Amino acid sequence: QQPVQSPQAVILREGEDAVINCSSSKALYSVHWYRQKHGEAPVFLMILLKGGEQKGHEKISASFNEKKQQSSLYLTASQLSYSGTYFCGTEIGGNTGFQKLVFGTGTRLLVSP
Amino acid sequence: DTEVTQTPKHLVMGMTNKKSLKCEQHMGHRAMYWYKQKAKKPPELMFVYSYEKLSINESVPSRFSPECPNSSLLNLHLHALQPEDSALYLCASSLGQAEYFGPGTRLTVL
Repeated sequence: QQPVQSPQAVILREGEDAVINCSSSKALYSVHWYRQKHGEAPVFLMILLKGGEQKGHEKISASFNEKKQQSSLYLTASQLSYSGTYFCGTEIGGNTGFQKLVFGTGTRLLVSP
Repeated sequence: DTEVTQTPKHLVMGMTNKKSLKCEQHMGHRAMYWYKQKAKKPPELMFVYSYEKLSINESVPSRFSPECPNSSLLNLHLHALQPEDSALYLCASSLGQAEYFGPGTRLTVL
């Protein structure tokens, strides 16, 4: 059930672009994206609620392809502050009827000067 | 107030100790969560409270006992833990979509 992210790790120079992919073997109804810096808590970036939706957050944007059961996070003109581990998350219904968030495998991003 | 607070930041305990982790939010969120995170792994859901009632228990061992005294507070009571329970314990809250995480408690079980 856990979404799989690719690549597992990426190293960029400041100003370069990157794409992080999140794929699920099950139907996706929404996709969350979080960033976690080393030693800190995950921070919410954005949520995509329907297929075809695209969102942007400064130079970070994401797309959601419901048919392909995948989402991509785009980081443009990366900054040092973008370094961290990026997690996608998908909502799955539990047996109590309550939705729970399952995080993807994670992608470690390092931006160097 | 737009943050989730957790205490303590660090905790070292023996396998026979009883301790508690505390989490607090004043954003009016009605869902609160406990996650466990091992190094270089994603957070794993442990418990979910919705409107102060336990909604999800991810088959967590009984040595972890959650409690939600009111809509702003969430506790995790620990008893007879094992060394493999050492991890970062994260609390989060939400209004139903985005989850907002506290800084976590780094727990070491000796």
